[in-house]
Amino acid sequence: EAGVTQFPSHSVIEKGQTVTLRCDPISGHDNLYWYRRVMGKEIKFLLHFVKESKQDESGMPNNRFLAERTGGTYSTLKVQPAELEDSGVYFCASSHTAGDTQYFGPGTRLTVL
Amino acid sequence: GENVEQHPSTLSVQEGDSAVIKCTYSDSASNYFPWYKQELGKRPQLIIDIRSNVGEKKDQRIAVTLNKTAKHFSLHITETQPEDSAVYFCAASISGYSTLTFGKGTMLLVSP
Repeated sequence: EAGVTQFPSHSVIEKGQTVTLRCDPISGHDNLYWYRRVMGKEIKFLLHFVKESKQDESGMPNNRFLAERTGGTYSTLKVQPAELEDSGVYFCASSHTAGDTQYFGPGTRLTVL
Repeated sequence: GENVEQHPSTLSVQEGDSAVIKCTYSDSASNYFPWYKQELGKRPQLIIDIRSNVGEKKDQRIAVTLNKTAKHFSLHITETQPEDSAVYFCAASISGYSTLTFGKGTMLLVSP
């Protein structure tokens, strides 16, 4: 079974630019999560999709972040415009049902210069 | 909301020694506690988890203990090997709510 995949693996952008991160969950997993780890700190929850619906977006830092999951398959996380403090590793995870084991992707390392 | 504290932040042991990583949580409603291992450049992988209806769970060289009264849980690794070197994260969540609240991670270094 293929695991969670994320694209790109790395992204370096200038402050003010836009970046879109993509996550493909494990096939059949209705639950998709986005997390972020800023260097040296904990992995922090951003939001949770159940199929195409946002179940919980309480962790989204501000309105510069927009997450979508059209069709309930892959998800995108867009940061526009990017700020220096947005740098970090963005992880996606998926689970079959809520409360099940969450399987993580390899992450996208975002650097904003 | 939930807050998870994890200690130590770094831990160096000799191969064959035991390693213990401790976490405390604040929300008494939390009832699911997974541990993830992240090797350098790789994804976090679940290595063991425990639910609040048990006090201890073992899987070969790793074990997790849970003290609900004190609101703390610990990861124990026995007979450590160099391949155990990684960052370990503890987390807590409330079943059915899914959101994982993570500790800051412990970098474990096992020297041959």
